[in-house]
Amino acid sequence: QVQLQESGPGLVTPLQTLSLTCTVSGGSISSGGYYWSWIRQHPGKGLEWIGYIYYSGSTYYNPSLKSRVAISLDTSKSQFSLKLSSVTAADTAVYYCARGDTDSSPLPFFDYWGQGTLVTVSS
Amino acid sequence: DIQMTQSPSTLSASVGDRVTIACRASQSISGWLAWYQQKPGKAPQLLIYQASSLESGVPSRFSGTGSGTEFTLTISSLQPDDFATYYCQQYNSFCTFGQGTKLEIK
Repeated sequence: QVQLQESGPGLVTPLQTLSLTCTVSGGSISSGGYYWSWIRQHPGKGLEWIGYIYYSGSTYYNPSLKSRVAISLDTSKSQFSLKLSSVTAADTAVYYCARGDTDSSPLPFFDYWGQGTLVTVSS
Repeated sequence: DIQMTQSPSTLSASVGDRVTIACRASQSISGWLAWYQQKPGKAPQLLIYQASSLESGVPSRFSGTGSGTEFTLTISSLQPDDFATYYCQQYNSFCTFGQGTKLEIK
């Protein structure tokens, strides 16, 4: 059974960089054509896709966040990471990591999710 | 960008009811649509992918239909565990979620 677990600071100062890591267990992060993904949810709101990284290392980002986002993969640690720069209060949200599966599609849906971690941007 | 619009935003129903949630895409997404269930304080859970394929372990009372721009999620007989918020997601062009439908107990 694949499991994902987010980790990182729960409080980030405005204009600094938010950094989160997702540790994957129960499956190889470097095999199988999966997209390793970050999705966030503002308090009381809906889901917003941030971006994903293909197992090969190719990255895809939400155009609205692209200038501030970087997702990377560390296969040796079975982890992938999110960096979001120049954060403001509008970036306060629960951040989820997820595995994207494609079945027969060109792009992924999300079949395994982490439990989520609340990140608050405040001084 | 492809916009996803769900209706209704809130739905009140009783145990045993048959309910339907609609999701409309701003342009054709073929059949590349997924449905998720989210309970308070929990991560979303995949129910349906490719518009109508039931994820393993999901009860058969959940079903999905549609293609192009119009999609529906149906729960054939509501159970107490089904009261939650439901989201659709298109994956034809990157990823966009609908705004969610909250299913409440009447």
